[in-house]
Amino acid sequence: GQQLNQSPQSMFIQEGEDVSMNCTSSSIFNTWLWYKQDPGEGPVLLIALYKAGELTSNGRLTAQFGITRKDSFLNISASIPSDVGIYFCAGQRYGGATNKLIFGTGTLLAVQP
Amino acid sequence: DAGVIQSPRHEVTEMGQEVTLRCKPISGHDYLFWYRQTMMRGLELLIYFNNNVPIDDSGMPEDRFSAKMPNASFSTLKIQPSEPRDSAVYFCASSLELVTGELFFGEGSRLTVL
Repeated sequence: GQQLNQSPQSMFIQEGEDVSMNCTSSSIFNTWLWYKQDPGEGPVLLIALYKAGELTSNGRLTAQFGITRKDSFLNISASIPSDVGIYFCAGQRYGGATNKLIFGTGTLLAVQP
Repeated sequence: DAGVIQSPRHEVTEMGQEVTLRCKPISGHDYLFWYRQTMMRGLELLIYFNNNVPIDDSGMPEDRFSAKMPNASFSTLKIQPSEPRDSAVYFCASSLELVTGELFFGEGSRLTVL
């Protein structure tokens, strides 16, 4: 089935460092989203991107919708301990019988104080 | 406002037993989704409803799984009979509309089948 390849799988960094992760697909998406999952919780939406080339920020987070519509990246600047968690990209296409949201494989982020 | 509410948070059962997971979506959200999360397969969409009607159940693994939404404020996911490979975290999510991809997830139900 459809898969989104997310990298890296995991990152172990020091507090204050910047983080970058990305997501690629063999198919085009109309929407790219980034979610974060804290331990024992459900994923929470961080950023949504709806236009190719779009660059959007949410505090220390910045995400871009790739111009080819087949990729997206998420940057976190000046990481802090509460950034720990699993980050998922998600892609969605419009039209057709259904509009499934496909999730990436996740990037585990650990931040050492 | 209350978010998506799921119950139980944890369930441990023996193989062959029936399992029922419950979900209350956010009031006013027309879409409800059931996802399963495992280490091997990540987050998989099992089924989703629009206005209480199942729209896509192609992700439901097999006939042992069934989902219902009798009204706008309640949905169930049932597994009968359960098997050890069903062990996973099951998430319910709801949304106002489909095209935005903005889902609001519950805290999940962690199922362990022995």
